[in-house]
Amino acid sequence: KQEVTQIPAALSVPEGENLVLNCSFTDSAIYNLQWFRQDPGKGLTSLLLIQSSQREQTSGRLNASLDKSSGRSTLYIAASQPGDSATYLCAGYSNDYKLSFGAGTTVTVRA
Amino acid sequence: DGGITQSPKYLFRKEGQNVTLSCEQNLNHDAMYWYRQDPGQGLRLIYYSQIVNDFQKGDIAEGYSVSREKKESFPLTVTSAQKNPTAFYLCASSIALDSKETQYFGPGTRLLVL
Repeated sequence: KQEVTQIPAALSVPEGENLVLNCSFTDSAIYNLQWFRQDPGKGLTSLLLIQSSQREQTSGRLNASLDKSSGRSTLYIAASQPGDSATYLCAGYSNDYKLSFGAGTTVTVRA
Repeated sequence: DGGITQSPKYLFRKEGQNVTLSCEQNLNHDAMYWYRQDPGQGLRLIYYSQIVNDFQKGDIAEGYSVSREKKESFPLTVTSAQKNPTAFYLCASSIALDSKETQYFGPGTRLLVL
């Protein structure tokens, strides 16, 4: 069974600093790796989806990388803003077509 | 305006009561999912459905039941057998079960026990 871990559980940075969020997974046979954003009391919004054949995806200030051999994915958010404050979750698809989620990293960007 | 809707936003359950959470999507997706989210934990899969009139247990199906009579709808019933139902419940859908494409999530229902 795929196990997904996100460390740290919480992160606080001043505005303008670059954010680095880490995700590790146990099964290197992972298919796609997805990053989501969740605001308090809300549903999940997909940020980036990295296909198994890709090593990274970019969207605006966001960049996500995937290294299947080491079992790691990293989400970079450049020049953080207070509006980036949220919980970020990573999730991976395994052979059973199910998404396995990490517990998330809660980010606070201080103005 | 396509998307997933969940209702109600908050739901209160009394001891021994069954309650049903609604999930509707107009994205024409075949696959639908129910997840449970507890503080400090990742989302856990309760049930999923690949197509109308078909559904499968996820990792934590005990105390829950579902139906899939229409493509657009996938209601979740929390039965009295679920002893710890307080959680945030999220419904999701995707084009197909094996597409491994993005799952789209609803806004969630928070269930509280009186």
